[in-house]
Amino acid sequence: EVHLVESGGGLVQPGRSLRLSCAASGFTFDDYAMHWVRQAPGKGLEWVSGISWNSGIVGYADSVRGRFTISRDNAKNSLYLQMNSLRAEDTALYYCAKGNGIAVAGSPLDYWGQGTLVTVSS
Amino acid sequence: QPVLTQSSSASASLGSSVKLTCTLSSGHSHYIIAWHQQQPGKAPRYLMNLEGSGSYNKGSGVPDRFSGSSSGADRYLTISNFQSEDEADYYCETWDINTRVFGGGTKLTVL
Repeated sequence: EVHLVESGGGLVQPGRSLRLSCAASGFTFDDYAMHWVRQAPGKGLEWVSGISWNSGIVGYADSVRGRFTISRDNAKNSLYLQMNSLRAEDTALYYCAKGNGIAVAGSPLDYWGQGTLVTVSS
Repeated sequence: QPVLTQSSSASASLGSSVKLTCTLSSGHSHYIIAWHQQQPGKAPRYLMNLEGSGSYNKGSGVPDRFSGSSSGADRYLTISNFQSEDEADYYCETWDINTRVFGGGTKLTVL
């Protein structure tokens, strides 16, 4: 059974940094692309970033490009999101999601974690 | 990049059939999409991916009452025999080169 468990969320001041982690199990991690998707309170889903199976290709939403960095460690079955220069509008529940293929594009997200809450406030 | 448009809300009576629509933007009518369900207070759940031909593949454990169909730029999710647990937000998703987008979501409630 596929399990995705996010961690690292919390309350952080504007301008500061935070690193999210996602521990994956139940599938061959290095066979699939992975993604971060966020959901602001009371709002819809927003794709944040994705990374291909071998880290060769990454993609970012315009709203986070240049501030966030996605990475993965296939030896540890883990996905990460380094978030710098955080803003109030980054406040959201951040979900880790598994792609159904090796590339950032080309296939849907087929499993989701439970999310970790990031609150950016002074 | 593609844009996905969904109605903000819909409602249905228990036991009835309801059809939700996701519309692809101009120039993207051939794109494959996916449907996701988000029950209140829960994480999203993948339901199916749906091609422009109307062919669809459902995720693991998705009940038979969920089906998909397509017409032009429109992608549909039909729920037959609507149950109380189907009251949820429904999002469509698609992807392009190194990016992906979600529709704004449809909140489906019991009449």
